[in-house]
Amino acid sequence: KQEVTQIPAALSVPEGENLVLNCSFTDSAIYNLQWFRQDPGKGLTSLLLIQSSQREQTSGRLNASLDKSSGRSTLYIAASQPGDSATYLCAARIPQGGSEKLVFGKGTKLTVNP
Amino acid sequence: KAGVTQTPRYLIKTRGQQVTLSCSPISGHRSVSWYQQTPGQGLQFLFEYFSETQRNKGNFPGRFSGRQFSNSRSEMNVSTLELGDSALYLCASSPGIGTEAFFGQGTRLTVV
Repeated sequence: KQEVTQIPAALSVPEGENLVLNCSFTDSAIYNLQWFRQDPGKGLTSLLLIQSSQREQTSGRLNASLDKSSGRSTLYIAASQPGDSATYLCAARIPQGGSEKLVFGKGTKLTVNP
Repeated sequence: KAGVTQTPRYLIKTRGQQVTLSCSPISGHRSVSWYQQTPGQGLQFLFEYFSETQRNKGNFPGRFSGRQFSNSRSEMNVSTLELGDSALYLCASSPGIGTEAFFGQGTRLTVV
C-alpha cells in the first residue's frame, strides 16, 4: 500500500529565506508526483508535476525534484515571500485496479513572516 | 480556459438526509475524480470516472456514489448523512491517465 509522508508538518521562516519541503513515498511504482498549494478553505492549486521518467521541474521560484529509487521528492522555494504562506501537499499518482488515483501526504503548513 | 467548477460551494444538511454535489471539469478533460478532505484523515480518494464509467473506487461505504454524464460533468451523492461526513469535497479533472490533475474550489459540507 502506497503511503506518502511529508516532513515537517509545519514550518515558519523569515521572508527572503530559501527553503525545502520534503515528501517521501513507499512504493516507487508511480506515474508521476504532483505538488499542490492549498490556501485556507480553498481548493488545491497545482504547482509542479514531475513524470516518473523526469528528475526535476522548475517554475519561477519553485523547483521540484524526484528520486524514485529512494522514494523522495523535494520542493525548493527560493526567496520566500509572505504570499507563499499556505499548506503544500504532495501527491503520488499510482496505478490501481486498471485505473489510477492520487495518494496525498498530510501536507506542510508554511508560514513566511514579513 | 475555465477551470474545474464545483457547486454548491457550501452546504448544510441534517443527519439522515442525502446530498448531491456537482463538478464540471475543464473542457476536453474526460477523467473526473473525487476526494474527501478532513482535518484528521487528510485527502482521501473516493472514486474516479472516465467516459461515463467508474474505473476506480476508494474505501468508502456504499452511501457514497457518483456518476458521470456524456459531457464529462460528474455528480457525487451521499445518502443517509452522518456527522462524520462533514468535510471538504474536492473534484479533480485530468485529460487522461497519468496526466496532471486540476482541482476545483471544493464543496464544504456540514452535517448537523
